[in-house]
Amino acid sequence: EAEVAQSPRYKITEKSQAVAFWCDPISGHATLYWYRQILGQGPELLVQFQDESVVDDSQLPKDRFSAERLKGVDSTLKIQPAELGDSAMYLCASRNHGQDNEQFFGPGTRLTVL
Amino acid sequence: AQSVTQLGSHVSVSEGALVLLRCNYSSSVPPYLFWYVQYPNQGLQLLLKYTSAATLVKGINGFEAEFKKSETSFHLTKPSAHMSDAAEYFCAVSEAAAGNKLTFGGGTRVLVKP
Repeated sequence: EAEVAQSPRYKITEKSQAVAFWCDPISGHATLYWYRQILGQGPELLVQFQDESVVDDSQLPKDRFSAERLKGVDSTLKIQPAELGDSAMYLCASRNHGQDNEQFFGPGTRLTVL
Repeated sequence: AQSVTQLGSHVSVSEGALVLLRCNYSSSVPPYLFWYVQYPNQGLQLLLKYTSAATLVKGINGFEAEFKKSETSFHLTKPSAHMSDAAEYFCAVSEAAAGNKLTFGGGTRVLVKP
């Protein structure tokens, strides 16, 4: 069964360092989402791609976060510099057109900023 | 704007007892509604989804949910809790007008007592 892949699964970094997360969606899924989930809360959307284009990045802290999906397939989310408040689970999801809006989630990257 | 409220951040049930998790939503149009389950340090797994085909939706692991438009609710139930049901559960809503992004509730953590 096709799955969304994410790496790394866990990342520990010091504040002011740069970190990057990678996501490979299910093959053929045109829409890709990055969510941030702070411990004890529900996930919140950071950025949404349709193919290689950003369609919603209204909640992305653009002074330190960036996201790209250059070829419309896999995607990278970067934080530079990391802050203590960035400690969270970063979830990637993908969706195919017409699948009742169902999104398929990867296992997530757990980020700890020290 | 779409929003989701989950009543009760923690629920404790005895093994074999009824599980009832409450979800109320706000949406300007008939929405898609979802219940996801999350185990520690893992991604989200879809339990079930409402897509307007039927108001009573059956999902995996014996869970079901009923869509009640008049009450703007989508409560999740399972007749008999199992130890493996201990996890965090998230209700979510999506609308085409909002780019099909998922808006999640705050989650309900379920504890199952032997």
